Amino acid sequence: QKEVEQNSGPLSVPEGAIASLNCTYSDRGSQSFFWYRQYSGKSPELIMSIYSNGDKEDGRFTAQLNKASQYVSLLIRDSQPSDSATYLCAVNLFTGNQFYFGTGTSLTVIP
Amino acid sequence: DAGITQSPRHKVTETGTPVTLRCHQTENHRYMYWYRQDPGHGLRLIHYSYGVKDTDKGEVSDGYSVSRSKTEDFLLTLESATSSQTSVYFCAIKRTSEAGELFFGEGSRLTVL
Repeated sequence: QKEVEQNSGPLSVPEGAIASLNCTYSDRGSQSFFWYRQYSGKSPELIMSIYSNGDKEDGRFTAQLNKASQYVSLLIRDSQPSDSATYLCAVNLFTGNQFYFGTGTSLTVIP
Repeated sequence: DAGITQSPRHKVTETGTPVTLRCHQTENHRYMYWYRQDPGHGLRLIHYSYGVKDTDKGEVSDGYSVSRSKTEDFLLTLESATSSQTSVYFCAIKRTSEAGELFFGEGSRLTVL
């Protein structure tokens, strides 16, 4: 069983809409959760990290964590064409040393 | 910018040849990682290091070895490259913070013919 599952997409939203990206994880020992954005041919770049249940907001991005449901999501408000990328979900187990990544969700924002 | 430099950025080699990829960091982080990224598989951990001469295996370590003789350098070696090792390799460091985020280098694209 994969540690981290994401819908591969592609997900298409119109410019200005809210994009919702979802991720589930299997290990209840998971401690910290991360969203990365990866443009084609580039390295992953960190968008947000979250480790407490609830919502965490940073600009147009909101991460939501529900440990009971083993679910983490990323909302992108006022989506822009520049948000078109692959979004990777990652988890860090309680040991703190190993990080597991989902296969990513491809997002396209249509002008 | 996490101060991570990978070299070479691109390499084409032949099956059976040895290959070494280098990751250099400038911020003295304890933890360093090597991942490979392939379509349909996402990022998979090869090896990681938690200090000088301290390393451990990840989920896809077969065919790879690593060394860390200095804090700033983490080397990934393919002793005898195979076509299945054609991939993009990313080095990462873990920042010392409450969440312990990973930050990635720019990647090294390896093609094994």
